[in-house]
Amino acid sequence: DTAVSQTPKYLVTQMGNDKSIKCEQNLGHDTMYWYKQDSKKFLKIMFSYNNKELIINETVPNRFSPKSPDKAHLNLHINSLELGDSAVYFCASSQGFQRSQETQYFGPGTRLLVL
Amino acid sequence: GQNIDQPTEMTATEGAIVQINCTYQTSGFNGLFWYQQHAGEAPTFLSYNVLDGLEEKGRFSSFLSRSKGYSYLLLKELQMKDSASYLCAPSGAGSYQLTFGKGTKLSVIP
Repeated sequence: DTAVSQTPKYLVTQMGNDKSIKCEQNLGHDTMYWYKQDSKKFLKIMFSYNNKELIINETVPNRFSPKSPDKAHLNLHINSLELGDSAVYFCASSQGFQRSQETQYFGPGTRLLVL
Repeated sequence: GQNIDQPTEMTATEGAIVQINCTYQTSGFNGLFWYQQHAGEAPTFLSYNVLDGLEEKGRFSSFLSRSKGYSYLLLKELQMKDSASYLCAPSGAGSYQLTFGKGTKLSVIP
């Protein structure tokens, strides 16, 4: 069984479009994350939710809007896509968020290419 | 702020030992993770150090010196499948304060 799953795996779209990426975890974890990994392989946190509530919102354009319908799901909606949004987006989850030793488990990634 | 430094690339021979260093400067620190990421795949957990010293786990060991802001990952008896990027990630007070370095791309050659 897949622990953290994301759909779609690949996403190719035109500039200006709106797209969503979905993430689900079946680990029973309370905390979920979205990361962006650019072409230089730098993995940067974007958002984190704990029990459907936002706990991190890094300096990310407001074209990016996360939504957590329940604690097992964290979706990412992107409006007005730009060329610079092309990257791999990873979803992750952890048991909680308050302890530094919580291991994060990553999904397979969504490869977004904006043309 | 966060500043994490690790070599960009390393090459080692199958069967050998390799040490990947990481230095960090963080505004808050509680422990340090190492993750492995194969090309085109997700990062996976390797180790977590909170106390100074060496933690051994099979062929992989990780070392931490909190006073020096320094860690290393030691890989023994290298195998071809160990070719991957290794990400150093210091953690602050909570798991949400995990910051990843740019990673060290390790190539294992025959």
